[in-house]
This record gives sequence, C-alpha cells and structure tokens, in this order.
Amino acid sequence: DAKTTQPNSMESNEEEPVHLPCNHSTISGTDYIHWYRQLPSQGPEYVIHGLTSNVNNRMASLAIAEDRKSSTLILHRATLRDAAVYYCILRGQSNFGNEKLTFGTGTRLTIIP
Amino acid sequence: KAGVTQTPRYLIKTRGQQVTLSCSPISGHRSVSWYQQTPGQGLQFLFEYFSETQRNKGNFPGRFSGRQFSNSRSEMNVSTLELGDSALYLCASSLGPAPISTEAFFGQGTRLTVV
Repeated sequence: DAKTTQPNSMESNEEEPVHLPCNHSTISGTDYIHWYRQLPSQGPEYVIHGLTSNVNNRMASLAIAEDRKSSTLILHRATLRDAAVYYCILRGQSNFGNEKLTFGTGTRLTIIP
Repeated sequence: KAGVTQTPRYLIKTRGQQVTLSCSPISGHRSVSWYQQTPGQGLQFLFEYFSETQRNKGNFPGRFSGRQFSNSRSEMNVSTLELGDSALYLCASSLGPAPISTEAFFGQGTRLTVV
C-alpha cells in the first residue's frame, strides 16, 4: 500500500477552520484518498474520500492537489467534538475486491475552547 | 438503521486461555473486517470476510482466526492468549464486494485484557 505522511499533532481554536495535511507522494493514478477519524473511546469513523476533484460533505471538505501528491482535510468550523485522531488512507487497485484499510499514525487534533 | 454491534464490550482473560469475539454488521453489509488496536502498534488489519470466505489476511500468527456466517455475522477467535494480545479489537462492515471507494463502518470494539 502506498504510504501517507501526516503531522503527529495539531491544535486549533474552537470555531476556527482547521486544515489537516496529508502527503502521499507515491500515490498511483487509481488510488482513492480516504479520511477517517477516531474519537476517544470509539471506533474509527468515515469522514470523506476523493480521487481527483475536491469533495464536500456535511462533515468536511477534501482538497486534493493537482498532482495528487498531497491533500488537505478541511473542517470549516471546528467544535470540541472534532477533537480526534484523523487518518489519511490510500486505497488503490491492490485493494480492489477487498476492504482492507491500512492506517498510519494519524494526526491528533486538539481543539482549544 | 442499527450500526455495527460488537460483543462483549469488555473482556478479561488469563494467559493461555482462548477467546471468541462477535461482530454483527450493518444489515445488508456482506463484508466484515477485523482490526487490532494497541498503543504501540496502532490500528492493524487482521482479516476480512465476504460471503463466508476469508479474502484478505494481515500479518498475525495462526492463533488468530475468524469466520463468517451465512447471515454475515462474524466471529474472531484468539487461542493460547498472550499478554501482548491485550488490545481493542475493532470490527468494520461494508457493502462489499468493493469498488475501492467503499466506506467502512466501525463498531465500538471489544476491549480485551489478558492477565
């Protein structure tokens, strides 16, 4: 599986936008970029995914660089409930037909009231 | 609709014993995956089942096994427990078979402590 690199931790003020970066310089043309988050004492939760174009949903936005070697998860207005570990995961053709997710160390996001 | 249900939520076992954990996926989901989460190793993939067949297996010893039933419910078994098996065991369900963009839904996990 292609590797992703994320900062170990980030802090943000409540009600401010948060930009969580992910580098994936070895991404292949068919790799999808997925984001999951894990709140304390819970299982991971799907956030968003994309291939080439920027994506928006009710939880977040995903901005994908034109060369696809990096992406940014954007929380438009962080709340205390957004404090979690955020994982950036690539899923490519090697995953076709199976559901395996390869989690890295993720970014621990702390929200400051 | 109901989410992924894992039972039990907490378990304490003694070294050498065996344990069986259960996972009921979301209704209609046919793929179930298992993960182990420890502070030192993070989230690691154990195995995946679809239509009662194991399709993918992580790098774990043979003491870790699983199965899936015709109703898509899955169990994982760990035999001859070791202290290092203490972890949060997470189950994820998805529609399957995968177009590679399928999202997975995780349960709250079973916290296993081996003493």
